[in-house]
Amino acid sequence: RKEVEQDPGPFNVPEGATVAFNCTYSNSASQSFFWYRQDCRKEPKLLMSVYSSGNEDGRFTAQLNRASQYISLLIRDSKLSDSATYLCVVSQGAQKLVFGQGTRLTINP
Amino acid sequence: NAGVTQTPKFQVLKTGQSMTLQCAQDMNHEYMSWYRQDPGMGLRLIHYSVGAGITDQGEVPNGYNVSRSTTEDFPLRLLSAAPSQTSVYFCASSFARDRGYTFGSGTRLTVV
Repeated sequence: RKEVEQDPGPFNVPEGATVAFNCTYSNSASQSFFWYRQDCRKEPKLLMSVYSSGNEDGRFTAQLNRASQYISLLIRDSKLSDSATYLCVVSQGAQKLVFGQGTRLTINP
Repeated sequence: NAGVTQTPKFQVLKTGQSMTLQCAQDMNHEYMSWYRQDPGMGLRLIHYSVGAGITDQGEVPNGYNVSRSTTEDFPLRLLSAAPSQTSVYFCASSFARDRGYTFGSGTRLTVV
């Protein structure tokens, strides 16, 4: 079983749609949680940290359920510029960031 | 403020050659890491450092060495390149372990 699992997609949705990504992690001792986005042939960039209370940044909302070991990302009113691969990332203490394989999203005009 | 700078951006090596991938950050971050990214495998941790003079192995350390003589620099050395080391390599740094990492733009390495 992979430590961090994501639906690889691809997700193809029309502009303006709401998109939801899910992620599960296997290590209950995981401490910190993040969503990154990665554009084609570019480096990953931090989108947002994820907190147990849930957090929102503009059109993006992240949720964490520690009991279910489940992380989600919701994108509202999607834009063409949201097209990218979204990476679920879990920190297991020290320096170990574990990356999911990513979910590819394409927003269609 | 340049962030995390990686050089070179592209490199072709012959099997058995050695080389050093350079990584420098100007944000005074204590935490630095090296990852490789392969299709279908996601990003995997090679080596990491929690401060100058302190390094440790990640998930896939074999065939690579690192050192951290200064806070700013964290070079990755390939000892004897193999085709299995063909990959995209990313260096990353962070202010604290529970903060997000800033990534460099990557080095695309091909070993023939």
